[in-house]
Order: sequence, then structure tokens, then C-alpha cells
Amino acid sequence: KQEVTQIPAALSVPEGENLVLNCSFTDSAIYNLQWFRQDPGKGLTSLLLIQSSQREQTSGRLNASLDKSSGRSTLYIAASQPGDSATYLCALLSGGQNFVFGPGTRLSVLP
Amino acid sequence: KAGVTQTPRYLIKTRGQQVTLSCSPISGHRSVSWYQQTPGQGLQFLFEYFSETQRNKGNFPGRFSGRQFSNSRSEMNVSTLELGDSALYLCASSLVLRRENTEAFFGQGTRLTVV
Repeated sequence: KQEVTQIPAALSVPEGENLVLNCSFTDSAIYNLQWFRQDPGKGLTSLLLIQSSQREQTSGRLNASLDKSSGRSTLYIAASQPGDSATYLCALLSGGQNFVFGPGTRLSVLP
Repeated sequence: KAGVTQTPRYLIKTRGQQVTLSCSPISGHRSVSWYQQTPGQGLQFLFEYFSETQRNKGNFPGRFSGRQFSNSRSEMNVSTLELGDSALYLCASSLVLRRENTEAFFGQGTRLTVV
């Protein structure tokens, strides 16, 4: 059974810092990994999708990497802004037809 | 291109009642999945439909059911509501071509409160 953890659970940084969010998973037989952000009380917004054959994906200030052999993915956010404050979740598509989600990292970027 | 639409956005129900939630996927997407999100359990998978067939089901009691129509719109139903069913219910749609590039797009959710 796929299990996903995210470290840290919460993070508070001053504006302008570069930061890294971590996602770990137990079963490396995945099809893809997706990073989402969620604002309080809202739905999930897709940020990046990394297919199993890929090592990383980039979108603007965001860069996500995937290392299946070690069961890890990282989301790198460059030059953080207050608008980046949200909960960030990683999710994996493996054997079944559903994504398995991590518990999320709650990020606060202070002006 | 319209996103995933969930209705209603908010619901308040009484214990013992039943509720139906609706999800309209992105045009052309044939896969619809439902998730329950609570502060204690995080995001948990309920079920997934593809071309009107339930392909996968999570570990929820039989009070939770769903269906998908020929236009890919989906509904989920919860009968005999319990206080613990209070949650944000999220729907996701996907254009499934190959597993590797299956990307989930979520709606804004339905906030269900059971009193």
C-alpha cells in the first residue's frame, strides 16, 4: 500500500527566500507525481506533473524533481512571495485508478 | 475552457438525512474521481468513474455511493448522514490517455456540514 509523507508539516519564511518542500513515498512503482496548492477552504490547483520517466519539471518560479529509486520528490520555490502562502500537497498515481495524497505542507510567507 | 464545476458549494444537513453532490468535469474528460477532505484524515479517495463505470472504490461504507452519466457528469450520494461526514468533498476530472500523463484537475469542492 502506497504511503506518502511530507516534511515539514508547516513552514514560515520571510518574503524573498528560496525554499524546498519534501515528499516521500514508499512504493517506487508510480506512473506520475503531481504537486498541488490549496488555499483555505478551496479546491486544489495543479502546479506540476512529473511523469515516471522524467526527473524534473519547471514552471516559472517552481521546480519539482523526482527520484523514484529513493522514493522522494522535492518542490523548490524560488524568491517566495506572500501570495505563495497556501498548503502544498503531493499526490502519486500508482497501481490503482486514484491518486494517493500526502498530508501537505502549510506554507506562510511573511511580508 | 471551463474547469471542473461542483454544486452546491455549501450544504448544511441534519443527521440521518441524505445528500447528493454534483460534479461536471472538464469537457472531454471521461474520468471523474471523488475525494473527502477532513482536518484529521486529509484527502481520502472515495471512488472513480470512467465512461459510466466505477473502476475503483476507496475504503468507505456503503452509505457513500456515486454514479456517472453519459455526458461524464457525476453525482455522489451519502445516505443516513453522520456528524463525521462533515467534510470538504472534492471532485477531480482527468483526460486519461496514458497513465503517465494522467493529470487531475479539481473543482472548488462542496463543503458539507452535518448538524
